[in-house]
Amino acid sequence: LAKTTQPISMDSYEGQEVNITCSHNNIATNDYITWYQQFPSQGPRFIIQGYKTKVTNEVASLFIPADRKSSTLSLPRVSLSDTAVYYCLVGGARSSASKIIFGSGTRLSIRP
Amino acid sequence: DAGVIQSPRHEVTEMGQEVTLRCKPISGHDYLFWYRQTMMRGLELLIYFNNNVPIDDSGMPEDRFSAKMPNASFSTLKIQPSEPRDSAVYFCASSQPLNGQPQHFGDGTRLSIL
Repeated sequence: LAKTTQPISMDSYEGQEVNITCSHNNIATNDYITWYQQFPSQGPRFIIQGYKTKVTNEVASLFIPADRKSSTLSLPRVSLSDTAVYYCLVGGARSSASKIIFGSGTRLSIRP
Repeated sequence: DAGVIQSPRHEVTEMGQEVTLRCKPISGHDYLFWYRQTMMRGLELLIYFNNNVPIDDSGMPEDRFSAKMPNASFSTLKIQPSEPRDSAVYFCASSQPLNGQPQHFGDGTRLSIL
């Protein structure tokens, strides 16, 4: 199973850069790495996805080392509205359901 | 572009009653997923469909749970009879067929069984 390990919680302040690292030691060759954000009373929302090296979009960057056994979600200059739970997911739509494991996520708290 | 639509948003019913949750996936998405989220167990995948066909229902907790997808634009998750331990938020998600495509989630149904 493509299990992931993330810190349970993190705290930071407005304007800071936040990096959340996820470990996925048994990632398969065809697996993608996807990060989701979830606010209370809402479903998880896609943030960013990558396969290797670095991916950047308007809200985040994703750094993936050559061995792909971990990945780091980077949120530049966070604000209070970035307070949420962040999930790292390894796999893909065609993966067996047994591989789709969200884990406990990282609860990020941003303070003024 | 409408996202995944779930109904109802909230459901409160008594133990033993039948509960039906509904989901309309994003048009063109061939995969549909049902999840359950609780504080104790987090997000659990219950079942997923590909082109309206159930592919893996190994996450369905027991025979009281059933899911159908009669067409590409509609799916139901039914619990009969319901029990208090079924109380949770149930999410539906859909995705496009290519490998690695992210899932798009609805806002969930908060189910309370008294």
